[in-house]
Formats: sequence, C-alpha cells, structure tokens
Amino acid sequence: GAVVSQHPSRVICKSGTSVKIECRSLDFQATTMFWYRQFPKKSLMLMATSNEGSKATYEQGVEKDKFLINHASLTLSTLTVTSAHPEDSSFYICSARDLRSGGRDKNIQYFGAGTRLSVL
Amino acid sequence: AQSVAQPEDQVNVAEGNPLTVKCTYSVSGNPYLFWYVQYPNRGLQFLLKYITGDNLVKGSYGFEAEFNKSQTSFHLKKPSALVSDSALYFCAVRDRNYGGSQGNLIFGKGTKLSVKP
Repeated sequence: GAVVSQHPSRVICKSGTSVKIECRSLDFQATTMFWYRQFPKKSLMLMATSNEGSKATYEQGVEKDKFLINHASLTLSTLTVTSAHPEDSSFYICSARDLRSGGRDKNIQYFGAGTRLSVL
Repeated sequence: AQSVAQPEDQVNVAEGNPLTVKCTYSVSGNPYLFWYVQYPNRGLQFLLKYITGDNLVKGSYGFEAEFNKSQTSFHLKKPSALVSDSALYFCAVRDRNYGGSQGNLIFGKGTKLSVKP
C-alpha cells in the first residue's frame, strides 16, 4: 500500500511552546490531506482538511489559530500546535488521498503512524 | 445525518475460531464503505473497501466484509482468527451524495478485537 510518513512519532514539550508535526506521502502525490485527533479509547476526530496550495478547511470547534496547517506541496503537510497546553496532549494522525485521475486509488485514505503529543 | 455504528466495544475470540466485527451505517445516499485496523500507538491501516459490484469484498490478511444494503450493514469477518489479529478495528463510510468521491470519511468508534490462544 501507499506510504504516509509522519514525524515525530512522539514529542514531549513544555506548556506554551509550539510543536510542528510533519506528514509526507512517500510514494504518491497527496492532493488532499487530513489531520485527525484521537483520544484514548475513542474514534478519530477530523480536525481539518487541506488541499495542496489552498487554505485548510477546519471542522467546527477546531481553532485554526491554534492548529496551523500548511499543505505547500503534493507530498508534505504540516500541523503546528501553537502555544501548546496540557489539554492539547493527544494522538494526532495525518492521512492523505490522491484524487487525481490515474493516480493512486482515490477512494482510499492512507494514514500516517501518528504522533503522541504530551504537553507538560 | 451520516453516522457509523459499531455496537460492540470489544469482541473476544479464541484463536482458530471465526470472527465477526459488526458495523451498520446511516447515510443519505449510497455509501462507500471501508474497514481499517489500528495497532497500538500506530496509525490506521486500510483493510478493504466496498465501492460497487460484488457485495462480498475480500481484503488484506484474510479479512472479508459483506455489504448488505437492506440491513445497512458492512460486517467484517475472518474464517479463522489469529492472535496477531488483536487490534482496534474501525468501520468508515463516505456518502456519495455528500461530496461524492471527495467527501470525508465518517468513522465508527472502533471495536477492540482480542484473540486468545
């Protein structure tokens, strides 16, 4: 299957600092990328969707100034958690799709391995 | 409203026995249906999908699922469970009438599968 690389896998930071998480599609071009947050024993909560070169579309209740998303190329999206607080501690997962004709199976979303963020 | 229901928080199966993980959905139009598996501290791995055609779809690791339109279900099955199948399983749906193929996935809350030796 397609490979989505997410880095770092784990990060511990102090309250008030900013953390950047990278998501790369290694063997396909991701026209659309998604960022999810997963709470313990809970399903995935979609935070935002981004199309390459466009501003991200945030889900209701997600602060766009708090969670900055950049999707500058077809292989890279970043999520920056600004001024992190302990309540931002969570498991963040990125996902990507290739919606172009002739590309990867556009029906499938491919997921990164996730980033465990712990804010002290 | 679109939704996916996985009625069981946990399914326990003995190794070698068949397993079923249940999923029902509610969408306004015809669905695209998916199963993903998540191992501890990992992202989701795609298992299988139903888009159109044969109601029985086969996927990775010997898993299969059957689309039942009348019951709006898409249960995941495997004839003989392995201990290594123990993981968290998510059913997901995309509504053709809501964004079409570009619509977002709606996930169920997940079912933890535990396979004992």
